[in-house]
Amino acid sequence: DQQVKQNSPSLSVQEGRISILNCDYTNSMFDYFLWYKKYPAEGPTFLISISSIKDKNEDGRFTVFLNKSAKHLSLHIVPSQPGDSAVYFCAASYAGSSNTGKLIFGQGTTLQVKP
Amino acid sequence: GAGVSQTPSNKVTEKGKYVELRCDPISGHTALYWYRQSLGQGPEFLIYFQGTGAADDSGLPNDRFFAVRPEGSVSTLKIQRTERGDSAVYLCASSLRGPPLTNEQYFGPGTRLTVT
Repeated sequence: DQQVKQNSPSLSVQEGRISILNCDYTNSMFDYFLWYKKYPAEGPTFLISISSIKDKNEDGRFTVFLNKSAKHLSLHIVPSQPGDSAVYFCAASYAGSSNTGKLIFGQGTTLQVKP
Repeated sequence: GAGVSQTPSNKVTEKGKYVELRCDPISGHTALYWYRQSLGQGPEFLIYFQGTGAADDSGLPNDRFFAVRPEGSVSTLKIQRTERGDSAVYLCASSLRGPPLTNEQYFGPGTRLTVT
């Protein structure tokens, strides 16, 4: 069963506009969420994270929003740049004694930012 | 500083052969993780080391897969009697400390394994 889901396989936006990538999860034991970016032939690169005690975390052009009641998080990129074109993965980890550090990843969303 | 490195970058092997994949974590990172990524999917957890010991190996698919980290730094993922279904990109990641202190993991470029 897919505990972390990214239902949009791809997204295309114009340079300078906002990119919104979405992620849903099913396991209420998740308490820490991360976004990774991946370019071809490279490993995933950590972007931004959020703890379940927060509903928003911002870092420069990147903001992650968490809605615990809806088990939904989103990554906003403003303004989008062509260099942001990559595959974006949402990931989650468990709380407390279940936390062995393993990350549960979504399937990824390919973002294309057009000049 | 240097990131996580993995060797080889590509490995082609015949069905039934044995392979070893190597990971050099970021210096000083005590936690090391192996993931496997199939085409069109996100990385899938295999095993987590804290120091020299495997703290969580629940993701290893079967007993053909084994991993070691004898000195708490470099790790080797070993696959016996490879099958075509083992073809994937094998990713290694490390973090400064294991959970619950930090969950940001830093990934290497991966080893693309192809079993023919």
